[in-house]
Amino acid sequence: GEDVEQSLFLSVREGDSSVINCTYTDSSSTYLYWYKQEPGAGLQLLTYIFSNMDMKQDQRLTVLLNKKDKHLSLRIADTQTGDSAIYFCAESTSSGSARQLTFGSGTQLTVLP
Amino acid sequence: ETGVTQSPTHLIKTRGQQVTLRCSSQSGHNTVSWYQQALGQGPQFIFQYYREEENGRGNFPPRFSGLQFPNYSSELNVNALELDDSALYLCASSLISDRPYGYTFGSGTRLTVV
Repeated sequence: GEDVEQSLFLSVREGDSSVINCTYTDSSSTYLYWYKQEPGAGLQLLTYIFSNMDMKQDQRLTVLLNKKDKHLSLRIADTQTGDSAIYFCAESTSSGSARQLTFGSGTQLTVLP
Repeated sequence: ETGVTQSPTHLIKTRGQQVTLRCSSQSGHNTVSWYQQALGQGPQFIFQYYREEENGRGNFPPRFSGLQFPNYSSELNVNALELDDSALYLCASSLISDRPYGYTFGSGTRLTVV
């Protein structure tokens, strides 16, 4: 079955780098995503990576994909207090003719001043 | 460009009642998906609508049903509410031809069943 796993908590100092890890199970996923959720808000798409890529960089964000180990990571450089939120890893899978997102349980990132 | 709007933002219902949640899609989007996010969990796929038909469903019972209207707005209906239905319900719209398949999420409706 489909399952996406993440560690629950991460705490870093302001200015340090944060690395959030994720493992997924569906090897047919074509895209993998990182979403951010702030308190009381919906999900904001941060970045995505196509499954034939190893790495994608977007300003402070770097996504690494190890397809062999089904491991995805999100690195946030120069982490700021505004980055404190829950981060979800998600894979794109099929349900009937629909494409759905299967999410992990989320990693709560706390940035300490 | 308007985003996805959901109403109401909060709702309290009694076990056994029925509830209807509403969603307006982002302009230009033709597909609507609904997700349930229990406290401390990631969102779980309920179903997706395209061209006013359900074209995919997650592991949810038939008492969860939906509609999509010609203007691409949508409703989620839940009958015979149970305490475990308490959650944040997220609506997400997308364009079915988009690659990557990117969703725009609304801020959700917080449903509490007592």
